[in-house]
Amino acid sequence: QQQVKQSPQSLIVQKGGIPIINCAYENTAFDYFPWYQQFPGKGPALLIAIRPDVSEKKEGRFTISFNKSAKQFSLHIMDSQPGDSATYFCAASNNTDKLIFGTGTRLQVFP
Amino acid sequence: GAVVSQHPSRVICKSGTSVKIECRSLDFQATTMFWYRQFPKQSLMLMATSNEGSKATYEQGVEKDKFLINHASLTLSTLTVTSAHPEDSSFYICSASVRTGVLKQYFGPGTRLTVT
Repeated sequence: QQQVKQSPQSLIVQKGGIPIINCAYENTAFDYFPWYQQFPGKGPALLIAIRPDVSEKKEGRFTISFNKSAKQFSLHIMDSQPGDSATYFCAASNNTDKLIFGTGTRLQVFP
Repeated sequence: GAVVSQHPSRVICKSGTSVKIECRSLDFQATTMFWYRQFPKQSLMLMATSNEGSKATYEQGVEKDKFLINHASLTLSTLTVTSAHPEDSSFYICSASVRTGVLKQYFGPGTRLTVT
């Protein structure tokens, strides 16, 4: 019940495309859903996060869509660029403060 | 803001020796610090949670005597890998958290440990 399932495992898009990464969870006590971006050999960087009281959050080219009833949330990257090529992790947490990470999605954006 | 540093970024050590990794929150005081381990092309695996001035809480399957964590202050936590073996070779990442409504975790750049 503590798992966060993430798909796809890898994704290849052309520049300008809109990659979508999906995550699903079971634990209804989760109340914070961040997305992290990680480049090879670096630590993850917080990209954007959402709480369950809103259905969508947008920051720059990154948008989170949240479906509370389906227990799913997704990351959309608008006008993707080669510099967006990285591994993306979704995560979830509740008041225990621990983050439960998804398995990661390796995104490649070709020029 | 919310910068976390780790030192060293890379370390190579011989089997049987101990290695210390430092994690510092540079521009904020961290409520809690976390230590993760990441294998190639895999997700982050939480090893332990540490609060300043108290003993760390280890995840199931993580040997507390092998991975010693000291949380000396609100800005510094250290992970010591004792009697290192080649199977301890991995990418170790710390995070520091601050509560602003929710508890946000900010990650360090990671430490690549290679045990020969």
